[in-house]
Order: sequence, then structure tokens, then C-alpha cells
Amino acid sequence: GESVGLHLPTLSVQEGDNSIINCAYSNSASDYFIWYKQESGKGPQFIIDIRSNMDKRQGQRVTVLLNKTVKHLSLQIAATQPGDSAVYFCAENVGSSYKLIFGSGTRLLVRP
Amino acid sequence: DVKVTQSSRYLVKRTGEKVFLECVQDMDHENMFWYRQDPGLGLRLIYFSYDVKMKEKGDIPEGYSVSREKKERFSLILESASTNQTSMYLCASNYDRGLNTIYFGEGSWLTVV
Repeated sequence: GESVGLHLPTLSVQEGDNSIINCAYSNSASDYFIWYKQESGKGPQFIIDIRSNMDKRQGQRVTVLLNKTVKHLSLQIAATQPGDSAVYFCAENVGSSYKLIFGSGTRLLVRP
Repeated sequence: DVKVTQSSRYLVKRTGEKVFLECVQDMDHENMFWYRQDPGLGLRLIYFSYDVKMKEKGDIPEGYSVSREKKERFSLILESASTNQTSMYLCASNYDRGLNTIYFGEGSWLTVV
């Protein structure tokens, strides 16, 4: 069943286009950020992370940008594919805390 | 690859039953976590453990308890299940504290009737 995704903002993109998913974080002391992908009925899957001493980090088809000035994080997915359809959410870690603070998520829909 | 395994994917239990959700990780992680995920509420931390036999309450511990007798295993216990505990439960783990990714299991869907 679908428990993730109700009342979430949705981004709809054409297959092959680039996607940009945004996240605003609240704590200026946050020093580590993670993007997760969650497909229907599954647990969140790690995509990419970035530490606060970096502005940009690239993975395979994904790039994370961090703007500490405005407390903004974005995930860019190049050449979006149908398999990228999922809910994406960011998480932040503050200082040496054990806990992550999770964003509410964005649903990405890829149109064929 | 990191493997966090939740033994039960789908459970249906009756109100008042005692429920055990089991989680095992194979990466020798110190920290383990239990979250629940509900529509519109996102991920909420129930309990976490930073070492064997150690536990700390998360944001919503009421109605739950946990057990960590071995480093690789972290159990979530619902002493007397109630319908408002119907949810998806996610186990996670990571190394020590701070700048380390938390890895999640596939989730356990619990329905309390």
C-alpha cells in the first residue's frame, strides 16, 4: 500500500528532461545532508549526501547543491527516467546529534 | 552493500495484542533506529539505540518499547496494540554519531484491527 505521498508537492517531468527537487532546511547549525528516494511500498534508499563544507557534490546522474546562505538544498537528476518516479526527501543532521531531521518530501512523476 | 532486514513486511494484529517487530543489520553499526511513517506526518523517530542494551526515546515513544540484546538486532515492541498504531514502521542503522548516513530497511506494514 501507499503510505508515503499524500498531500505532497508533485513535480512532473518529461522522460529525458532534467529534474530539480528543492528542500529548505531550518537549522543553520546543520552540517550534513542526505537525499533519499522512496518508491511505493519500500523503505527510503540513500541517493547522495553532502557535508556543510561543500557546495556541490556529484554522483551518477545526480548532483546535490547546498546553499548555506539561504539554507537551501537541491537535488538535480539528469536525463530523468521512468524508474526515477518516487518520493524524494532530504534529511539534515545537526552537530553530533544521532538524529536526522527529515523533510516532508516531493513526489516526482516522470511522463513517458 | 549495507543490509537492514525487517523480518515482517506485512502484519495484521488485533487491538490489545502484543506485537514484535524485528530488525537485523549486517554492517556492525553502533546505532539503530525505529521510525514510523504516516501520510502527511513524514518520518517520526520512536526510539533509538547507540549500543547494546542502551536506548533513548525519540519523538513519539508512547505505546512502544524496544530491546537491543545484540548489536545487530533491534526490536520494537507494542505492548498492547491500538488502531492508531496502524502504520509503516522503518528500522534504520548507522555508524556512531554525526556525519554518517542512516540506512533503512524495507519497512513493516502493520495494521491493527
